[in-house]
Amino acid sequence: DARVTQTPRHKVTEMGQEVTMRCQPILGHNTVFWYRQTMMQGLELLAYFRNRAPLDDSGMPKDRFSAEMPDATLATLKIQPSEPRDSAVYFCASGLERLQGSTEAFFGQGTRLTVV
Amino acid sequence: AQSVAQPEDQVNVAEGNPLTVKCTYSVSGNPYLFWYVQYPNRGLQFLLKYITGDNLVKGSYGFEAEFNKSQTSFHLKKPSALVSDSALYFCAVRDSYSGNTPLVFGKGTRLSVIA
Repeated sequence: DARVTQTPRHKVTEMGQEVTMRCQPILGHNTVFWYRQTMMQGLELLAYFRNRAPLDDSGMPKDRFSAEMPDATLATLKIQPSEPRDSAVYFCASGLERLQGSTEAFFGQGTRLTVV
Repeated sequence: AQSVAQPEDQVNVAEGNPLTVKCTYSVSGNPYLFWYVQYPNRGLQFLLKYITGDNLVKGSYGFEAEFNKSQTSFHLKKPSALVSDSALYFCAVRDSYSGNTPLVFGKGTRLSVIA
């Protein structure tokens, strides 16, 4: 049963600490999205990769957030330093794009981050 | 830039009654439209999509959606609601004009089906 795997599922950290969230996309998928979900803002796009290259990270605070794909089986989202306002659920999603834009994205279970 | 609006934060419906969750969109080119459902403490699950062709799209769990180009809408429907349909529903759009556009989501609509 192919699925997107995110680790950790839950993370509690102190303000100022580095946080790394990991995502294993579905094997063979060529696009990866990172979203942040909060009650106030809903689902916000943070980053979007295709074939491991970043296409859109305009929604990501560049001073503290970074997203990478070291290889096709791993995507990472880092926050350094973390702040209480970063508390949210972070979702990774992957998809296989043939006709550009037409594919649905498959979501992981999310990482619930709490920064105290 | 593309955008999606879900005008209702909350929809309440009695079990067995038809349900509609509304979605309108804005894109430069032709839209690719999607509906997702989120159950508590879970990720989003894909329900259905419209890419081209028939305006009425059928998806998982008995849901369907109708694409209306003149009204720029893509409302989600189900003929008979179940209590288990209670969840958070998201509409999403991508603009076919540019292949590099991301999937943009609405704010979500919470559906409560009352027994």
